[in-house]
Amino acid sequence: RKEVEQDPGPFNVPEGATVAFNCTYSNSASQSFFWYRQDCRKEPKLLMSVYSSGNEDGRFTAQLNRASQYISLLIRDSKLSDSATYLCVVMTTDSWGKLQFGAGTQVVVTP
Amino acid sequence: NAGVTQTPKFQVLKTGQSMTLQCAQDMNHEYMSWYRQDPGMGLRLIHYSVGAGITDQGEVPNGYNVSRSTTEDFPLRLLSAAPSQTSVYFCASCRGGTNEKLFFGSGTQLSVL
Repeated sequence: RKEVEQDPGPFNVPEGATVAFNCTYSNSASQSFFWYRQDCRKEPKLLMSVYSSGNEDGRFTAQLNRASQYISLLIRDSKLSDSATYLCVVMTTDSWGKLQFGAGTQVVVTP
Repeated sequence: NAGVTQTPKFQVLKTGQSMTLQCAQDMNHEYMSWYRQDPGMGLRLIHYSVGAGITDQGEVPNGYNVSRSTTEDFPLRLLSAAPSQTSVYFCASCRGGTNEKLFFGSGTQLSVL
């Protein structure tokens, strides 16, 4: 079983709609959680860190559920420019803080 | 497909030593890249390649060298290791089109003493 799992999608979303997807992790000692947006040929861009209390940045909301070991990302009022692959990244608690990557969830926003 | 294979998983070097981190992909991806990840920081691009014979510098290229003699392989060389290069290194590849996914290797934990 992979340590970090995501639904690969694609999630086809009409412009203006809301889309949400999860990422599950298997290591209960995982400490830090992030959502990245990635496009091929570009450096993955940190979208937001995910905190226990949940956090919101504009149209994006991230939640962490430690009991069920998943994080979620919700995008409201989807824009065409939101089409991308969203990468879930989990940092383990060993001294190196090594990142564990999900496989990415593809979102396609259509006019 | 094995995906992106990165070796070694762990390495300890002394200052001044050189070594090569290996990265290979069997997906016929055009684009390959190397990142380093340090505590409290996101992934930073070291070098990348858009195809065999073509390489270019990323954000933090100093002290590293790359080559892309084949589509499959993209080794990263540390010419003279320094403690500042202690980090976790990730290799990645993708097909090259927009909105294509990046596939990551499992990472190399490097310590330079």
